[in-house]
Amino acid sequence: AQSVTQLDSHVSVSEGTPVLLRCNYSSSYSPSLFWYVQHPNKGLQLLLKYTSAATLVKGINGFEAEFKKSETSFHLTKPSAHMSDAAEYFCVVSPNQAGTALIFGKGTTLSVSS
Amino acid sequence: DAGVIQSPRHEVTEMGQEVTLRCKPISGHNSLFWYRQTMMRGLELLIYFNNNVPIDDSGMPEDRFSAKMPNASFSTLKIQPSEPRDSAVYFCASSLLQGALGELFFGEGSRLTVL
Repeated sequence: AQSVTQLDSHVSVSEGTPVLLRCNYSSSYSPSLFWYVQHPNKGLQLLLKYTSAATLVKGINGFEAEFKKSETSFHLTKPSAHMSDAAEYFCVVSPNQAGTALIFGKGTTLSVSS
Repeated sequence: DAGVIQSPRHEVTEMGQEVTLRCKPISGHNSLFWYRQTMMRGLELLIYFNNNVPIDDSGMPEDRFSAKMPNASFSTLKIQPSEPRDSAVYFCASSLLQGALGELFFGEGSRLTVL
């Protein structure tokens, strides 16, 4: 069975400090993994994706994530938070099987203070 | 490309009324998904289509909900009769690849309030 767990429902950081949003997954197959971001009153937007190429994946707006198979983790990081990063972030796993749908985590709300 | 287009963006209705939400996927995409988002339950997959055929509707809450995709460029999600607990933001998303194989592109959502 496939599942994804976002370890923090809410993360608060100060502007200019690093961001770490944690995600663990479980998959019977070689998964693809995604991070999506949702700004208030908007739809979800793809931030980055891992599809079995380089384990360190760079996304938009300075975010990156590292796929660690031994830890079944795909944590999202950014060296320096900006006020505009305040949003909801979703970790998503794809079992890479036709006929199945993506599996979304419950989301992590990132707050950024000045 | 205009992206995934949903209408209406906001709908306020009274309990018992029929609600129809509409979605136009990105041209050329052959998978379409309907999600519901609430504070309590987060993001839930309701149903998804591949090549206009429903593949998995196990997330549809009950018989009051129905979804159709009469052609590759249009889908509807209907609630009849609506209830206050249906209040949520409903998202439509499309993908170039089947099911879980591709990146999803989301619309901006339809915010439904049932009084």
